[in-house]
Amino acid sequence: NAGVMQNPRHLVRRRGQEARLRCSPMKGHSHVYWYRQLPEEGLKFMVYLQKENIIDESGMPKERFSAEFPKEGPSILRIQQVVRGDSAAYFCASSPVRGNEQYFGPGTRLTVT
Amino acid sequence: AQRVTQPEKLLSVFKGAPVELKCNYSYSGSPELFWYVQYSRQRLQLLLRHISRESIKGFTADLNKGETSFHLKKPFAQEEDSAMYYCALSGIDQGAQKLVFGQGTRLTINP
Repeated sequence: NAGVMQNPRHLVRRRGQEARLRCSPMKGHSHVYWYRQLPEEGLKFMVYLQKENIIDESGMPKERFSAEFPKEGPSILRIQQVVRGDSAAYFCASSPVRGNEQYFGPGTRLTVT
Repeated sequence: AQRVTQPEKLLSVFKGAPVELKCNYSYSGSPELFWYVQYSRQRLQLLLRHISRESIKGFTADLNKGETSFHLKKPFAQEEDSAMYYCALSGIDQGAQKLVFGQGTRLTINP
């Protein structure tokens, strides 16, 4: 089992562009979580998804951010019209069932110039 | 609201000395507490969770509901323990979905 995969590992975007971050959960895992880590801070929960459903998006900014986990393919975190404040490390985690241990990916480091 | 506080951003101890990383939490419901560790150039991984009551790599942590603490301890530090440590909480009564993390403590073990 290759573990949780995230790509790209590093992403540079200019202000106003769109950023798409991908997360492939571990095999057999149908629960995906996204977290954001700003510089010098801990990880902060953004959204929890199961296949084709958003279960909890209480940590998502109200505008420009969206997430999906389609029936086929990876989960996508999409940030439209990026701003400098979006520069952060974005981590994805997966678990086989809700409430079980979450396995983390290596993260995507987004830099907005 | 759920909150996790790790008061020390940096902690440095000598090899063989005891280690204690502090974690305090705030949560009105039934919490589940975790310690995650991130070694250099590796991904975040679970070190231990309070419900399993295991000792991993010599580390232990006891949930103290009276003091709302979940401090991580090891009697004799080793150089390979140098890493970033995060305390985290999830609400059992909320379906244990999201994790709330502290800011992390960078532990350095000096030879």
